[in-house]
Amino acid sequence: EAGVAQSPRYKIIEKRQSVAFWCNPISGHATLYWYQQILGQGPKLLIQFQNNGVVDDSQLPKDRFSAERLKGVDSTLKIQPAKLEDSAVYLCASSPIVPGQLATNEKLFFGSGTQLSVL
Amino acid sequence: QKEVEQNSGPLSVPEGAIASLNCTYSDRGSQSFFWYRQYSGKSPELIMFIYSNGDKEDGRFTAQLNKASQYVSLLIRDSQPSDSATYLCAVKGRPSNYGQNFVFGPGTRLSVLP
Repeated sequence: EAGVAQSPRYKIIEKRQSVAFWCNPISGHATLYWYQQILGQGPKLLIQFQNNGVVDDSQLPKDRFSAERLKGVDSTLKIQPAKLEDSAVYLCASSPIVPGQLATNEKLFFGSGTQLSVL
Repeated sequence: QKEVEQNSGPLSVPEGAIASLNCTYSDRGSQSFFWYRQYSGKSPELIMFIYSNGDKEDGRFTAQLNKASQYVSLLIRDSQPSDSATYLCAVKGRPSNYGQNFVFGPGTRLSVLP
């Protein structure tokens, strides 16, 4: 079974530039998450999709971050313009469980992440 | 605001000892609890999950849950240098149509000394 694919693996940009990350979840997984992990901290949810709809984007800085999951499969996360504090690892994860479904043993499948450095 | 707290460490234990990692959470409605291991520069990987009060054992790992105290722990017996990593506690709330997010703690860095 193929895992969650993310690209690029690393990205270095200057502040005020834009950047985009791509994620292809495991086939058939309805739910897709984007997490931001700053060095030394736990992952923080940015946005959760169920198929191609947004379930939760309450912690997404919408003035500069945007995300989409067209056709309910792969997803892109964009930052425009980037700030120094956006330097982090951006993790994509997927799950076969949909919101509202009781699944106490749900497992998140993580991609390898994109490490972003904003200079 | 749902919060998950952990001691950041580093927690240092000698090889062969028991490592004890602790986690507290603020949302009493939380339903399930997960421990992820994250090696430096790698993505988190699931070690164990627990959703009933008491202990759950899997090999050298034991997860303990006390919902009344809003406390979950992970014990690692016979610790090995390969266990050196950051351990993330993640808590998941009750199902709803508005999402069922995993809230992660900051992680505890474990160092097992040979």
